[in-house]
Amino acid sequence: GDSVTQMEGPVTLSEEAFLTINCTYTATGYPSLFWYVQYPGEGLQLLLKATKADDKGSNKGFEATYRKETTSFHLEKGSVQVSDSAVYFCALSDPGTGGFKTIFGAGTRLFVKA
Amino acid sequence: DVKVTQSSRYLVKRTGEKVFLECVQDMDHENMFWYRQDPGLGLRLIYFSYDVKMKEKGDIPEGYSVSREKKERFSLILESASTNQTSMYLCASSSGLAGIYEQYFGPGTRLTVT
Repeated sequence: GDSVTQMEGPVTLSEEAFLTINCTYTATGYPSLFWYVQYPGEGLQLLLKATKADDKGSNKGFEATYRKETTSFHLEKGSVQVSDSAVYFCALSDPGTGGFKTIFGAGTRLFVKA
Repeated sequence: DVKVTQSSRYLVKRTGEKVFLECVQDMDHENMFWYRQDPGLGLRLIYFSYDVKMKEKGDIPEGYSVSREKKERFSLILESASTNQTSMYLCASSSGLAGIYEQYFGPGTRLTVT
């Protein structure tokens, strides 16, 4: 079945460092891919998405490119801030399921130090 | 903006009690979901609903039931709470439109069963 694998955390960075969180997926169809973020004490929020190969999703300085050839959707940010400290979830939704089944990765916790 | 609200942020119940978790969305979304989130296990789908009075089991439905009597409201019921149901419960909704699969989450209910 479909699955999402993301790098284990926690990831600890200093402010203004470059961030990469790796995410790879397996899917039988052509899924939509997402990054969600969960700040302490809150639910998940959609950070960015991409719906087809080579699409780049971007938001708040974060970017991720849908790479079908490597089945990857790595999250990047050029300069992290303390306020980016959160848990990040990679996810996919297969149109074959009508969008009813979204598969989430285990989450990667990011700590950013001032 | 979509708003998903959950009836309680924190809840403490005793073993054997019947527990109701309520979720309301204000964007006329067709689909609603209940997840539980546990450390190291990510998000696991308990039940989802694609229409009023319609429901489908997710990956871990045992010990839970749901009710959707109105489009905006989706309730999760623990018929007889057990300690292994201590967890964070997240409600989410999505539009149901073709190709639009992102989900919008509530803030979560942290349930402790003693």
